[in-house]
Amino acid sequence: KNEVEQSPQNLTAQEGEFITINCSYSVGISALHWLQQHPGGGIVSLFMLSSGKKKHGRLIATINIQEKHSSLHITASHPRDSAVYICAAPYTGNQFYFGTGTSLTVIP
Amino acid sequence: EAQVTQNPRYLITVTGKKLTVTCSQNMNHEYMSWYRQDPGLGLRQIYYSMNVEVTDKGDVPEGYKVSRKEKRNFPLILESPSPNQTSLYFCATWEGAEQYFGPGTRLTVT
Repeated sequence: KNEVEQSPQNLTAQEGEFITINCSYSVGISALHWLQQHPGGGIVSLFMLSSGKKKHGRLIATINIQEKHSSLHITASHPRDSAVYICAAPYTGNQFYFGTGTSLTVIP
Repeated sequence: EAQVTQNPRYLITVTGKKLTVTCSQNMNHEYMSWYRQDPGLGLRQIYYSMNVEVTDKGDVPEGYKVSRKEKRNFPLILESPSPNQTSLYFCATWEGAEQYFGPGTRLTVT
């Protein structure tokens, strides 16, 4: 049983499409992280959120702590958004559980 | 520039030959962590450290050791590597809302 589940595992979209990636977790947390892993392997932090919604450019992240669910949305997707998106749940304040990632490919 | 560095970036070694992967950060962050990433399993936490001389096990600590003698460095030690430790390893720091990841070390144990 994975404490953090992501869906879908793989996603192919046409350029310009609206994209949603979902993350559900079973552990009790106060915040959730979204990460982006580039095709070259590097990982960058996109968001940490504990409630409501955060927006950065074309990326929007939402979280419902009571329902233990978070979504990452990408508006007007672009081929440069092609990457693996990972959600991470810090529990006990210090340890992390990670989803297995959603591999996104945006086709021109 | 905020940075986490790891060395080496690539390593091929043989079973049983002790190795160390170094990790260094220039942000004065207290929290540092090691992860391994495997296909189908995602990232899993090996060890983490809340501060100098304070380290704790993550989900998959078996076969690994760490030390935190100074704030900027957090080396990962494999005393007797085995083929099941072939993986992509990431060091990371965490402060506030962001995690900062190193570039990764691809380790192959034959």
